[in-house]
Amino acid sequence: DIQLTQSPSFLSASVGDRVTITCRASQGISSSLAWYQQKPGKAPKLLIYAASTLQSGVPSRFSGSGSGTEFTLTISSLQPEDFATYYCQQFNSFPLTFGGGTKVEI
Amino acid sequence: QITLKESGPTLVKPTQTLTLTCTFSGFSLTTSGLGVGWIRQPPGKALEWLALIYWNDVQRYSPSLKSRLTITKDTSKNQVVLTMTNVDPVDTATYYCAHRVWNYDYFDYWGQGTLVTVSS
Repeated sequence: DIQLTQSPSFLSASVGDRVTITCRASQGISSSLAWYQQKPGKAPKLLIYAASTLQSGVPSRFSGSGSGTEFTLTISSLQPEDFATYYCQQFNSFPLTFGGGTKVEI
Repeated sequence: QITLKESGPTLVKPTQTLTLTCTFSGFSLTTSGLGVGWIRQPPGKALEWLALIYWNDVQRYSPSLKSRLTITKDTSKNQVVLTMTNVDPVDTATYYCAHRVWNYDYFDYWGQGTLVTVSS
């Protein structure tokens, strides 16, 4: 199985901050990575797929980069509605796996 | 637009079989390239992929749960059913169904989730 390790697991930030979350894969997954945002009590929301492609409707302050084993999700200027937990997911091979999550708090 | 909704029991006793139904609209599972997956999330924990069924009836399962899971589809009803046998309290989680993006195994639309508690 491909393990995804997210760091940090918890992040404290302020509105306007630039935030970067890392997702490391235990083996190369090309660009087969998606990022999701989840707010308490809600289903995950797709933000980015194929490592760097912004899902339709997602604000441009979100961006993704990376390939192979190291990936990043960046929020260029954190907004109040961005406080949530973020997960990466690899779809290079089965079983599909998710990272452990990064909680972004004020 | 695409919507999905999970339904099933909220409380199940240990050793029983859990049956969850995902009823969807806005797409058809007869369309080549599409699929529906199940993902769960124990309280306060991370997401865990469980199973996926494709338009052509191919099924994929999490290896750690494969012996206990069955995923099926009913295209006439626009439903996907997940069955989990011999449940345990560790199976307590919110269960989500989600729409697989055309030709890729990630998910762009999710149901609201249903919390299932396993307890005697």
